Amino acid sequence: EDKVVQSPLSLVVHEGDTVTLNCSYEVTNFRSLLWYKQEKKAPTFLFMLTSSGIEKKSGRLSSILDKKELFSILNITATQTGDSAVYLCAAPFYNQGGKLIFGQGTELSVKP
Amino acid sequence: DADVTQTPRNRITKTGKRIMLECSQTKGHDRMYWYRQDPGLGLRLIYYSFDVKDINKGEISDGYSVSRQAQAKFSLSLESAIPNQTALYFCATSDLGAGRTDTQYFGPGTRLTVL
Repeated sequence: EDKVVQSPLSLVVHEGDTVTLNCSYEVTNFRSLLWYKQEKKAPTFLFMLTSSGIEKKSGRLSSILDKKELFSILNITATQTGDSAVYLCAAPFYNQGGKLIFGQGTELSVKP
Repeated sequence: DADVTQTPRNRITKTGKRIMLECSQTKGHDRMYWYRQDPGLGLRLIYYSFDVKDINKGEISDGYSVSRQAQAKFSLSLESAIPNQTALYFCATSDLGAGRTDTQYFGPGTRLTVL
């Protein structure tokens, strides 16, 4: 069964800490993995990863994919309270028109 | 203006009522999707459409129907709403054309409560 699994499900840190969020996947005909940030509204796109070992970076956020071990990580350095959100990992499932298979999400709470 | 818009943003209705949720996009994307999000269950696909003439059921289509009125518009209907359809509904678009990008862009969501 195709699936995406995230860990941890929730995380509480203090401002300035560095966090690593994990996403493992088993997806038929895998082609890409997506990370989204969801606050109290719609998911917003962060990264799309297609190749192993190539880090994508945006400010304090970075992500990398390992296609051999079937996982991805999302790193956030020097966390801020505005980073508090649910982070979603997803993979398109091409047997159903590219629908996204989502992980459960990691709820990150950054305390001042 | 937002690229993907949904109306209404919030709706409270009663069991048995017919409800339509609307989605419009200005991104020029061919593919459109309807998802629902429930606490602890993540996002699940209801229906998706490759283009105006191509509509497909997702994993939880029972109790729902859709209409793709134009490339830019994709509506979701609940013919006879029931309480377990209370959820947050998202519309999304993607473009798997020549650019072959997998990214889906989400609307702001519609919070539906069925009493």
